[in-house]
Amino acid sequence: DTAVSQTPKYLVTQMGNDKSIKCEQNLGHDTMYWYKQDSKKFLKIMFSYNNKELIINETVPNRFSPKSPDKAHLNLHINSLELGDSAVYFCASSQDRTSGRSTDTQYFGPGTRLTVL
Amino acid sequence: AQSVSQHNHHVILSEAASLELGCNYSYGGTVNLFWYVQYPGQHLQLLLKYFSGDPLVKGIKGFEAEFIKSKFSFNLRKPSVQWSDTAEYFCAVNGRGFQKLVFGTGTRLLVSP
Repeated sequence: DTAVSQTPKYLVTQMGNDKSIKCEQNLGHDTMYWYKQDSKKFLKIMFSYNNKELIINETVPNRFSPKSPDKAHLNLHINSLELGDSAVYFCASSQDRTSGRSTDTQYFGPGTRLTVL
Repeated sequence: AQSVSQHNHHVILSEAASLELGCNYSYGGTVNLFWYVQYPGQHLQLLLKYFSGDPLVKGIKGFEAEFIKSKFSFNLRKPSVQWSDTAEYFCAVNGRGFQKLVFGTGTRLLVSP
């Protein structure tokens, strides 16, 4: 009964390729997030969607494009992968029934370790 | 803009020692505060959180944290650590009305048996 799941868990690819990471939550939450954790373990938010609508878009290269087909899924597509994209990508979700509420805990997925060669 | 600083990057303790990890934040308004733990090879799990009310918050596995508003701090404590507490600990904050969660750089705790 995984609450927030991500696939794949590991992804090794060559520079220049295009890849996608999928995230699904079965908690009934309205808001989903993508975070990047670099080699020094620093975690930074990339995107947030509330009920399929983009609400947070940090300074992220436009090679990264999130897609939310429904509120239970938030996928991350990355074009033209670069060495610096190597990191662990975490998906998260929170209840937040209306955009702007912030008192709900975020629950994290297991992470996807992306290695770009 | 919100920011979080964790002063201890690496902490090494023996089992049964007491633990205190520092966390200070910078934000002009009301905040929500969190401590997450990441065990080796695993995802982030919530240890405890503060939204309002009693500034001394108790979490899972014997952890607690105290919100001191005047010091902009939310330090994590445990009276007696165990080997299984070896992990990375992250403090995080979001301002009321904002969903963006800002993390500190993390503290790596190593507990030797």
